[in-house]
This record gives sequence, structure tokens and C-alpha cells, in this order.
Amino acid sequence: NAGVTQTPKFQVLKTGQSMTLQCAQDMNHNSMYWYRQDPGMGLRLIYYSASEGTTDKGEVPNGYNVSRLNKREFSLRLESAAPSQTSVYFCASSEQRSSYEQYFGPGTRLTVT
Amino acid sequence: DAKTTQPNSMESNEEEPVHLPCNHSTISGTDYIHWYRQLPSQGPEYVIHGLTSNVNNRMASLAIAEDRKSSTLILHRATLRDAAVYYCILRDGGNYGGSQGNLIFGKGTKLSVKP
Repeated sequence: NAGVTQTPKFQVLKTGQSMTLQCAQDMNHNSMYWYRQDPGMGLRLIYYSASEGTTDKGEVPNGYNVSRLNKREFSLRLESAAPSQTSVYFCASSEQRSSYEQYFGPGTRLTVT
Repeated sequence: DAKTTQPNSMESNEEEPVHLPCNHSTISGTDYIHWYRQLPSQGPEYVIHGLTSNVNNRMASLAIAEDRKSSTLILHRATLRDAAVYYCILRDGGNYGGSQGNLIFGKGTKLSVKP
């Protein structure tokens, strides 16, 4: 099993450009999450999807949109990138929203200039 | 707001035990204590969790104070691979709706392991 995969690994955008970060899991998990991590900080939740067909805001949702494409895939879209969105983005999944263990992907390092 | 307090950094020698402390004086009766760690340039990984009793698994042990206001993650024999940031997180086990079900990561404790 690959676990949680994310693409791309690295991305550089100019201010105002848009892009979509892709995430997929092969563990048949119901719940998926997007986090961001700024230098020297812990992770902050952007959006989550408790189950296929549902999405909810996390702690820092402004400037982002998400799509739960199917049970496996959960994408994060930046419509108009800003330098403040320079960060490392992690996708995670868990069997259920109530599960004690979340499995994290390797991250996408995004720089907005 | 962070509900846990951890030291910013700790050092250990290889093959010695490591005790990573966490204070959570405002813990509620339904809060579970979770520990995650993040190796350099990787996503976090689950280590262990507990409610009231001490817990052991293949990675570590979790010792929970009787009043639950503090806990300690114990790595029995530190290896170089254990160098990471360790996060102590409280999560309400009685309600996963809305923000109460979220994992809230603080800054954690950066553990360095010397050969």
C-alpha cells in the first residue's frame, strides 16, 4: 500500500496564479484532511471531509477550496495564490472522523512569490 | 488556543531512555491524550494515545498522571531515528462534531539524539 500520496512535491507560483494540490489514499478511509505548516510551527487544519460527499472548514479555510472527488481523493485549490500561502501542505486520512490515528502524506512545499 | 504545554527542545544520548513531558492542566474528563511525531521533512506519524491508564505499544509508553493534568511519553531506548518533533495533543473523545474533533498541533518538543 502506498498510504497517502500527494502531488506535486514542490511548486512555485506567482501571486494571483491558481493551482490544485492533489491527495489520494488507498486505505479505504472515510475521512480526509488538509493541513498547512508554516516554518517552526505546528500544523493547522484547513479543511476536512468526514465522509465522501461532505466537507467542512477547519481552523484556517480562507483562500482555499476543497473537493472530495470520491472516497480516495481529496483536492485543495488555491484560486488566487498569495505570499501568505507559502507553506508546506499535508494531506491526511483516517478510517473515521473519530479514529485516533491519522495517516499523513509526505507534503507539498509551496512557494508563492 | 493550545491546551498543552511542552518544552521547546530536549536532548538525549543514543540508547538511553527519553522522557518527554506534557502539561495539560485544563484537561476535561473526555479528552484523550495523543502523541504524534514528525521526522525531518516528513508528515507527522501517530505514536500513542491514552485516556487514564498507562499505555504501551511497540514505539513508546505513555505514562498519565493520576490527576491527568500531565503525561509523559517514554522512549525506552532512543535511536538516531527518533530525532523528531514530538507533539502532545488533547482531543475530545466524547464529541467529534465540528472543531472539537480536530487535532490541534502546537509547536511540540524538538528531540535531538546524540550518538
